[in-house]
Amino acid sequence: DAGITQSPRYKITETGRQVTLMCHQTWSHSYMFWYRQDLGHGLRLIYYSAAADITDKGEVPDGYVVSRSKTENFPLTLESATRSQTSVYFCASSVTGSTDTQYFGPGTRLTVL
Amino acid sequence: GENVEQHPSTLSVQEGDSAVIKCTYSDSASNYFPWYKQELGKRPQLIIDIRSNVGEKKDQRIAVTLNKTAKHFSLHITETQPEDSAVYFCAAKEGGSYIPTFGRGTSLIVHP
Repeated sequence: DAGITQSPRYKITETGRQVTLMCHQTWSHSYMFWYRQDLGHGLRLIYYSAAADITDKGEVPDGYVVSRSKTENFPLTLESATRSQTSVYFCASSVTGSTDTQYFGPGTRLTVL
Repeated sequence: GENVEQHPSTLSVQEGDSAVIKCTYSDSASNYFPWYKQELGKRPQLIIDIRSNVGEKKDQRIAVTLNKTAKHFSLHITETQPEDSAVYFCAAKEGGSYIPTFGRGTSLIVHP
């Protein structure tokens, strides 16, 4: 579990500001994911990546941007934060995609005022 | 795409009782079914998983059963303890996909 970290752990920002959430894993896992968790909605996939420079949209990608220039990093950017983006964000990784476990980071609690 | 339904949304039991959480899935091509436990304020962590070529798997007090024909799978926790209190998520993944579909979670409360 210590192999996947997120920063910051808590963030308060204002509507309209750009915010970047960082995710770093030390396992060299190929696959990485970003989820948001809201009460009553479980885990919803925002973006995912199969390898460096390969990213794709998930269920709720609007308002978010990702990049993956290095295998170990997968930052998530909110270009212009809105109150509806207040949530807990989890990054996850897995070795391969087929039947491998996802390992989750500790999460970032984001509040947009 | 895959759709996973999870029930109940909340489950309250007395310490020592058994707890059962059920999930159904829609895609018959799904072949991997993990269960995650998320304690309050913590990250989801895998507690047990099952693949489609197996009908049941046990690990101490927890077990998972899979009925491929009916497309449902269940988590069974025996002799529940207060530390079992958490939110449990089921998920299903199709063989050709690397994205699991999660259920909405079950909040399990174990009363001492």
